[in-house]
Amino acid sequence: NAGVTQTPKFQVLKTGQSMTLQCAQDMNHEYMSWYRQDPGMGLRLIHYSVGAGITDQGEVPNGYNVSRSTTEDFPLRLLSAAPSQTSVYFCASSSTLYEQYFGPGTRLTVT
Amino acid sequence: SQQGEEDPQALSIQEGENATMNCSYKTSINNLQWYRQNSGRGLVHLILIRSNEREKHSGRLRVTLDTSKKSSSLLITASRAADTASYFCATGPKAAGNKLTFGGGTRVLVKP
Repeated sequence: NAGVTQTPKFQVLKTGQSMTLQCAQDMNHEYMSWYRQDPGMGLRLIHYSVGAGITDQGEVPNGYNVSRSTTEDFPLRLLSAAPSQTSVYFCASSSTLYEQYFGPGTRLTVT
Repeated sequence: SQQGEEDPQALSIQEGENATMNCSYKTSINNLQWYRQNSGRGLVHLILIRSNEREKHSGRLRVTLDTSKKSSSLLITASRAADTASYFCATGPKAAGNKLTFGGGTRVLVKP
């Protein structure tokens, strides 16, 4: 199993550009989540999904969209990038409530 | 706002010593989890303790939970240089479905 994979690993955007961060898991997990981690801080939940076709907002959803058309994939879209979205983004999945498997992260810089 | 807050924010110890870190939270929980993050990597799940449990062990890890004080502690015994990492507690609040809320983490440095 590859586990949770994320692409790209690094990305630089200009303010106002849009992009999609990809996340895929091959463990047939129902639950998937997106977090952002700012320097020296913990993770904050952006959006999450409890199954294909079902998504919900987390703590910091503004400026981000998600969709879950398949069990495996959970892309995160930045609509119009802002410097405040410079962060490291982590995708996670789980088959049971709460015990989560994390991807390696995408380091995003918005200039 | 973060549900869990770790204490201390940073910890430096010698190899072979024990490392203890604490987590406090604000609302009722279903469970509390601890994760480790090595520099530049994703988080790795260490241990989960349910709200009806008081203590749990996994290898050199010991976790306690005191729901009356809304606090938990993680003890790493006989630390190794490879234990150098940031450690985060995460809570599954009862009112939040399956959402996890993470604390700010404790940075642990184990000196050889």
